[in-house]
Amino acid sequence: KQEVTQIPAALSVPEGENLVLNCSFTDSAIYNLQWFRQDPGKGLTSLLLIQSSQREQTSGRLNASLDKSSGRSTLYIAASQPGDSATYLCAVSPVNNNDMRFGAGTRLTVKP
Amino acid sequence: GAGVSQTPSNKVTEKGKYVELRCDPISGHTALYWYRQSLGQGPEFLIYFQGTGAADDSGLPNDRFFAVRPEGSVSTLKIQRTERGDSAVYLCASSLVGDNEQFFGPGTRLTVL
Repeated sequence: KQEVTQIPAALSVPEGENLVLNCSFTDSAIYNLQWFRQDPGKGLTSLLLIQSSQREQTSGRLNASLDKSSGRSTLYIAASQPGDSATYLCAVSPVNNNDMRFGAGTRLTVKP
Repeated sequence: GAGVSQTPSNKVTEKGKYVELRCDPISGHTALYWYRQSLGQGPEFLIYFQGTGAADDSGLPNDRFFAVRPEGSVSTLKIQRTERGDSAVYLCASSLVGDNEQFFGPGTRLTVL
């Protein structure tokens, strides 16, 4: 059974810092990996989707990498802003079914 | 265009009652997913529809939970004889095909008293 772990559970940084959020998964047979942002009391907003054949994806100040063989993904946020404060979730989709598995998330606070 | 919408946004019910939660996917998305999210946790998969049929319902916790999508668009998640442990946020997502990027609705917060 696929297990997804996110470290750290919470992170607080001053505005302007670059930061890295970590995601690990136990089964490397994945179809894709997706990073989401969730604001309190809200649904999930898709940030980046990495297909299993890809190594990274970039969108603005965000860069996500994928190392399938080691079961790891990182989300890099450059020049963090207070508006980046939210919970960041990673999720992996397996190859043979649609049971997408989520980590518990990293709660990020960017202080002005 | 409009995103995924879910109604109601909040639902408070008493133990033992029946509830229905509705999801309107993005127009043209053939795949639809239901998830349940407890406080401080990531969403947990419940059921996946491809078109009108439930292609994977392995995440439904027991037979009190049922979902339908009769015309391949709107879906309803039905919970019978609700229990306090059913309290959670129920999220719906849709995608163009089963393996592509999923887009989530705002969720329905269910509270069972």
